[in-house]
Amino acid sequence: DVKVTQSSRYLVKRTGEKVFLECVQDMDHENMFWYRQDPGLGLRLIYFSYDVKMKEKGDIPEGYSVSREKKERFSLILESASTNQTSMYLCASSPTPTGGYNEQFFGPGTRLTVL
Amino acid sequence: AQKVTQAQTEISVVEKEDVTLDCVYETRDTTYYLFWYKQPPSGELVFLIRRNSFDEQNEISGRYSWNFQKSTSSFNFTITASQVVDSAVYFCALLTSGTYKYIFGTGTRLKVLA
Repeated sequence: DVKVTQSSRYLVKRTGEKVFLECVQDMDHENMFWYRQDPGLGLRLIYFSYDVKMKEKGDIPEGYSVSREKKERFSLILESASTNQTSMYLCASSPTPTGGYNEQFFGPGTRLTVL
Repeated sequence: AQKVTQAQTEISVVEKEDVTLDCVYETRDTTYYLFWYKQPPSGELVFLIRRNSFDEQNEISGRYSWNFQKSTSSFNFTITASQVVDSAVYFCALLTSGTYKYIFGTGTRLKVLA
């Protein structure tokens, strides 16, 4: 089974702190994604990566950065956390499509609260 | 522009009732893929089904069925004889060919009452 794990289920940070959210997948997927989920807004894409050291901005990249030094790991960084970044963060991965497009596999999510 | 609309924010049904979750999508591409995911209270989205734009056949999997109609740009999901374990948030998503960007709807929260 594909497994996507996220470093924390719940996280509480202070305004201005630097926050790292880690995501690891064990199925050798090329593509990895970070979303945030807020009530009434669904899932919004923050960043995605289609290869090691490659990244592309999603719909809401402001205030976030990412790092992908190894294929299995994709980190989301909040350089200076703010209260409006309180949210559920979901990581996902998917293989590069061959003959069709594939579903994403999601981690359990990290609920981040910024005080 | 590409968009997915799930107009039903929340639905409540009594166990054993049938329920349909609506999904309407917008895209100008002729090749695209549609997905349904389930998010139970544990939080992890679980893949349910994928459909490509060239395959309009409806699909049935146990109590779940999906109705894909290109004429109305809809990909609706029906649960027959709902159970309490079906309580979750359900997301519909669109992916167009040549991109890695999945477009998600805002989700429909389904509550099945015993």
